[in-house]
Amino acid sequence: AQRVTQPEKLLSVFKGAPVELKCNYSYSGSPELFWYVQYSRQRLQLLLRHISRESIKGFTADLNKGETSFHLKKPFAQEEDSAMYYCALGGYGGSQGNLIFGKGTKLSVKP
Amino acid sequence: ETGVTQSPTHLIKTRGQQVTLRCSSQSGHNTVSWYQQALGQGPQFIFQYYREEENGRGNFPPRFSGLQFPNYSSELNVNALELDDSALYLCASSSTTGMYGYTFGSGTRLTVV
Repeated sequence: AQRVTQPEKLLSVFKGAPVELKCNYSYSGSPELFWYVQYSRQRLQLLLRHISRESIKGFTADLNKGETSFHLKKPFAQEEDSAMYYCALGGYGGSQGNLIFGKGTKLSVKP
Repeated sequence: ETGVTQSPTHLIKTRGQQVTLRCSSQSGHNTVSWYQQALGQGPQFIFQYYREEENGRGNFPPRFSGLQFPNYSSELNVNALELDDSALYLCASSSTTGMYGYTFGSGTRLTVV
């Protein structure tokens, strides 16, 4: 069955420290993976998608099919990065549209 | 270009009642998906609509139903409300494939008492 696991409920780091938010997925086909972010009092918004291999707000994520992982990384955390981060899996089944979300990791960046 | 708008923002209903939630998709998007987000959980896929037809459904009972209109807006209907239906309901729109991500609305907070 398709599944997304984010093992850390809460991740707390100091400003300037590196950040890695873990995401593992279970899917036998070709996955489409996304990171979504929700800042306080704001709506869920797309941060990264693996197909574009881009860097947004200093964050990057590499799809590792061997380890079935899509960890989100940033070399130097900023206080404004504090938010809830969700990893999501798409592209399965007959419909391209469904997303399976992990439970999310709350990132807290301390000054 | 407008984003995804949902109404109402908050709603309180009594167990056994019926509720309709509404969503206007982002301009240029023809696909709408609905998600339920319980407290402390990630969003869970309810169903998706494309060209006014249901195009995929998650593990939700038939009392959760929906509609999509020619202008791509959508409704989520829930019959015979249960206490466990209390959650944030999110609408997301996308282009046909969804490969470029989804635009989410702010959600409707439903409380069933």
